[in-house]
Amino acid sequence: GQQLNQSPQSMFIQEGEDVSMNCTSSSIFNTWLWYKQDPGEGPVLLIALYKAGELTSNGRLTAQFGITRKDSFLNISASIPSDVGIYFCAGQRAPSGTYKYIFGTGTRLKVLA
Amino acid sequence: EPEVTQTPSHQVTQMGQEVILRCVPISNHLYFYWYRQILGQKVEFLVSFYNNEISEKSEIFDDQFSVERPDGSNFTLKIRSTKLEDSAMYFCASSEGAGPLHFGNGTRLTVT
Repeated sequence: GQQLNQSPQSMFIQEGEDVSMNCTSSSIFNTWLWYKQDPGEGPVLLIALYKAGELTSNGRLTAQFGITRKDSFLNISASIPSDVGIYFCAGQRAPSGTYKYIFGTGTRLKVLA
Repeated sequence: EPEVTQTPSHQVTQMGQEVILRCVPISNHLYFYWYRQILGQKVEFLVSFYNNEISEKSEIFDDQFSVERPDGSNFTLKIRSTKLEDSAMYFCASSEGAGPLHFGNGTRLTVT
């Protein structure tokens, strides 16, 4: 189906460490998005990926569109306390006619100062 | 930067009552969406809307739910007869098309 599984579910890291998380599916997606959600707020877009193999950075964040088109990866370098939150991947299977995105199960990140 | 705005931020209602959640999407966007997030869980797709009609809906979006674009700026989600399990954060989103979704800050619906 269109289930997106994120790993790890949660992680505690020390400030300054690098973080890696991934999103996998049994289905092929044409677009991957990565969002961060703070408590009580809506998801905020971090990075958008549109082509298989694409590697895109946004400051300390780097994301990659997996070559199989069934997965995506997000790395955060030199983590800081404000990186705390839930990170969601979202995939779009076009052409769908609706452009809806399916969200992953989320990775909860906690940074220890 | 343009943003999606949602009102109210928090809505408390009694079971069986009707609620209307309101959203103002980004002005040049053409595709509108409602998503739901039960506390501590993932963000779930409810419905997408384009050209004044529903383009896709999930199994969650049953006959109790409806959406409307009553004018050129607002996009609403109505729940006709709320149930306890409707308690969740409801997020509105909009997009230009195949591009990324931009989300509002949500309405927390509490059904008692």
